[in-house]
Amino acid sequence: NAGVTQTPKFQVLKTGQSMTLQCAQDMNHEYMSWYRQDPGMGLRLIHYSVGAGITDQGEVPNGYNVSRSTTEDFPLRLLSAAPSQTSVYFCASSSQADYYYEQYFGPGTRLTVT
Amino acid sequence: GENVEQHPSTLSVQEGDSAVIKCTYSDSASNYFPWYKQELGKGPQLIIDIRSNVGEKKDQRIAVTLNKTAKHFSLHITETQPEDSAVYFCAASRGAILTGGGNKLTFGTGTQLKVEL
Repeated sequence: NAGVTQTPKFQVLKTGQSMTLQCAQDMNHEYMSWYRQDPGMGLRLIHYSVGAGITDQGEVPNGYNVSRSTTEDFPLRLLSAAPSQTSVYFCASSSQADYYYEQYFGPGTRLTVT
Repeated sequence: GENVEQHPSTLSVQEGDSAVIKCTYSDSASNYFPWYKQELGKGPQLIIDIRSNVGEKKDQRIAVTLNKTAKHFSLHITETQPEDSAVYFCAASRGAILTGGGNKLTFGTGTQLKVEL
């Protein structure tokens, strides 16, 4: 049971380039989400999904796309990277079996856009 | 939307002392308040949470208190140890049923706790 895995761990992009941050979980969790973490700002929700085929926007969705074709995977796409997207990105998942449920976070991807 | 404020941003204590981190929230419909610990280079990990129907919860050296009237909740760590050094985040959520869209968390800005020998 690997939990939540993210790839890559580090990435450097030039302005305007595109890339996909990968996230996978092996706990059969319905709920998955993406957060970005910036100094002094905590973690902010980018996009989330309550199940395969269903996604919705969080607090800071601009510049990011997501899709959820399987329960296990929830990739985050940057279509045209900007320096403002330099951040640490965390993927999280949780089960919806209960009313309240713990979110499990991945180890993060540190992205730098030059 | 929800706004969560967290204080202090940094906290330095001597080993064996207690540490207290405080958070306030704005959305009176929030009913779930988890605390996460983040070690350097790792993702946040849940250490304790509290639901709105209780005022206090304890787990060994860690306790959380909630005052719904004043909209604030606090993390208390007793007998601090060097391994408690990390960044701690509070968060708030309305829970799945009210939002209809999963357990969306709003985080505080974090507290860097340093436990000195």
